[in-house]
Amino acid sequence: EAGVTQFPSHSVIEKGQTVTLRCDPISGHDNLYWYRRVMGKEIKFLLHFVKESKQDESGMPNNRFLAERTGGTYSTLKVQPAELEDSGVYFCASSSLQETQYFGPGTRLLVL
Amino acid sequence: EDQVTQSPEALRLQEGESSSLNCSYTVSGLRGLFWYRQDPGKGPEFLFTLYSAGEEKEKERLKATLTKKESFLHITAPKPEDSATYLCAVREYNTDKLIFGTGTRLQVFP
Repeated sequence: EAGVTQFPSHSVIEKGQTVTLRCDPISGHDNLYWYRRVMGKEIKFLLHFVKESKQDESGMPNNRFLAERTGGTYSTLKVQPAELEDSGVYFCASSSLQETQYFGPGTRLLVL
Repeated sequence: EDQVTQSPEALRLQEGESSSLNCSYTVSGLRGLFWYRQDPGKGPEFLFTLYSAGEEKEKERLKATLTKKESFLHITAPKPEDSATYLCAVREYNTDKLIFGTGTRLQVFP
């Protein structure tokens, strides 16, 4: 069974540009989560989808971040416009009703 | 405020030297405590879930235990391949999000 996949693995952009991260969850997992870790800090929750609906977006830092999950399959996280403090590693996780969250390898974002 | 604190931040062990990692937590109602292993450049890899005080889970050289305020990850006779960052996370009753600690970076030398 394929795990959670994320694309791209790395992204280097300039301040003010737009970046879109993609996450493909484990097949059949209705729950999809986004987390991120900024340098030196702990992994922090961003938001949670159940199928195509946003269940909890309390961790989204501001309106420059937009997450979508059309059709309840893959999800995208767009940052527009990117700022220096958005640099970090963005993780996606998915889970079924069993509740264990399985994480992808992450996207390393560097904003210059 | 919900909080997860892990100690030590870093731990160096000789191969075969057993030790324990600590995870202290403060939540209003614990729905689950999770241990993950993370290798450099990779995502967290699930190890264990603990739900209630007194519960224990084992996997190879690892054993996780839970009390009402903390969890321990015991590593018995570690090998160099156990070197990784070990992350603890908790989930409360009214939410699905995980609250992570900053992790313990373990290095095991031959």
